[in-house]
Amino acid sequence: KQEVTQIPAALSVPEGENLVLNCSFTDSAIYNLQWFRQDPGKGLTSLLLIQSSQREQTSGRLNASLDKSSGRSTLYIAASQPGDSATYLCAPGGSYIPTFGRGTSLIVHP
Amino acid sequence: DAGITQSPRHKVTETGTPVTLRCHQTENHRYMYWYRQDPGHGLRLIHYSYGVKDTDKGEVSDGYSVSRSKTEDFLLTLESATSSQTSVYFCAISESPSEETQYFGPGTRLLVL
Repeated sequence: KQEVTQIPAALSVPEGENLVLNCSFTDSAIYNLQWFRQDPGKGLTSLLLIQSSQREQTSGRLNASLDKSSGRSTLYIAASQPGDSATYLCAPGGSYIPTFGRGTSLIVHP
Repeated sequence: DAGITQSPRHKVTETGTPVTLRCHQTENHRYMYWYRQDPGHGLRLIHYSYGVKDTDKGEVSDGYSVSRSKTEDFLLTLESATSSQTSVYFCAISESPSEETQYFGPGTRLLVL
């Protein structure tokens, strides 16, 4: 059974900082890994999808890397803004079923 | 935004009553999923479907059943609701899980008294 751990569980930073969110998983036999954002009381919004053959994906100020062999992924957020405040979840996907971590709750204060 | 709606959005019910939640998509995606989200547990898969009338169990399927008679609709039924099924329920869709992302609905908040 896939186990997914996200560290840290919570993070509070001042605006402008560069951030690193970590995701580790136990089963490296995955097709892809997704990063999602969830705002309070809302559904999940996809941020980035990395295929198992890829090492990283970038979208704007977000960059996600994947090291499948070591079971790790990192989400890098550059120049954080208050609007980045949300919970970030990673989900490695195997056998067509993603498994979700519990997320990192991020607060960016002005 | 992907066309996914969930109904109802909020529901309060009593222990022992049956409850049906509906997920409707306009994207014609093949795969549909039901998750529940609880503090301390994160997002857990209840059931999923890989086509009309094709469904399978997820991690926490006890006490739940599903049906998919049309591509666009995926129903989740709590056969006899219990307080432990108080949760937020999310539906998700995907056309090709190995290659494409999932899209999530807005969620249904269910309170079982």
